[in-house]
This record gives sequence, C-alpha cells and structure tokens, in this order.
Amino acid sequence: LAKTTQPISMDSYEGQEVNITCSHNNIATNDYITWYQQFPSQGPRFIIQGYKTKVTNEVASLFIPADRKSSTLSLPRVSLSDTAVYYCLVGTLVYNQGGKLIFGQGTELSVKP
Amino acid sequence: DAGITQSPRHKVTETGTPVTLRCHQTENHRYMYWYRQDPGHGLRLIHYSYGVKDTDKGEVSDGYSVSRSKTEDFLLTLESATSSQTSVYFCAISTGTGNEKLFFGSGTQLSVL
Repeated sequence: LAKTTQPISMDSYEGQEVNITCSHNNIATNDYITWYQQFPSQGPRFIIQGYKTKVTNEVASLFIPADRKSSTLSLPRVSLSDTAVYYCLVGTLVYNQGGKLIFGQGTELSVKP
Repeated sequence: DAGITQSPRHKVTETGTPVTLRCHQTENHRYMYWYRQDPGHGLRLIHYSYGVKDTDKGEVSDGYSVSRSKTEDFLLTLESATSSQTSVYFCAISTGTGNEKLFFGSGTQLSVL
C-alpha cells in the first residue's frame, strides 16, 4: 500500500498560486493519484485525479513527474473559500488488487485576505 | 451528495452500549467504506466492502464490525461502545473499476459518554 506524506499546514494569501506536494515513494504500477478537499463538518470531495504527467480541470492542476513518486496539486489564484484540508490519496480498485484506500494526514491550507 | 445517506447524523450513547450506523447508497456502486475522523488523525479506514457479504479490515478495525447484506446498505456496528470511539464517521462509495473516485456521505457525529 502506498503511504503518502504531505505538509501538515500551509498559509497563503488571496490571489496567490498554491502548490501542495505529496510524496508517495512506493506507488504501484496500477495506482492512481487523487486529491480531495474537505471543509469543516463535511465529507471530502474529489478535486482532481491523474496517473502521469499533467492534468488540469476547472479548479486545479496536478503535476506528476515521470517516476510518479510524488505529485503536486496546484491551486491558481486562491480565495478565502479555498481554506480547507487537502488530501492526497494513492491507490487502485482493480478487481482483487485493491480496496484498502488509506488517506494520509492531509494539508490544512489557510488563505488569508 | 452522490446518493449517499448516513443515519443517524448525530448520536449520543453510553459506554458499553451497542451502536449501529447505517450507510445507504442509491448509485449501485460496488465498493463501500467506513472511515473515522478525529482531530490530528485525518481520515482512518475502519472497514470496507467490495461486494455483498464481502468485507475486509482497514487500519483501525478493532472494536468494529460491518455487514453488507444488500448492495445499497453498509452497516457499521460498535458492539460495546467506548469513549475512544467518539468520532465523526464517514461512509464513502466508489465504482470499483480502477481509477477510483470516492464519494462521501455527510458524516455521523457519534459521542460515547
């Protein structure tokens, strides 16, 4: 099972770009990298997912180097509403090859005015 | 969200009493999960299910049991609740097709006095 390591907390200001890096040295060939966002008193929600190289959607970008041992979530021009905990999750659910999806500690992002 | 209902939303119980939490989904997803979340510990996997009557242990399964007799329902039972099981419990679902995205319920706040 791939173990993930992220910074515990990060601070930023409105309008800045925020990059959160996740280390996953023992990622397996079939594993995907998925990031979730969690606000207080809510369940986590999906932000972005990738397997290799770069993925971009309407809210974030995900950069994955060739060795896939780390990944970086990039949030462009953050606002106060981006204050949340961000989790990196590595795993797969290919039949009979997975299921035990274990979260790391998460990164608490605080965006200030 | 994503057709997941957790019940009850809040529960207060006494030490030593049995407690059952229910997760109901309308998505017909194969995988279902129970996580607990405590300050400073992030999300920890308790048990998960990969089909009807198919379950497996997560990171913190001691003191918990689960059952899945129908695709749509996943029950978490605390046979004899302890104060250390005071937590927020989240249910999640996923399709089980490989590039998994987890969809979470709104959580159950359980207090064991």
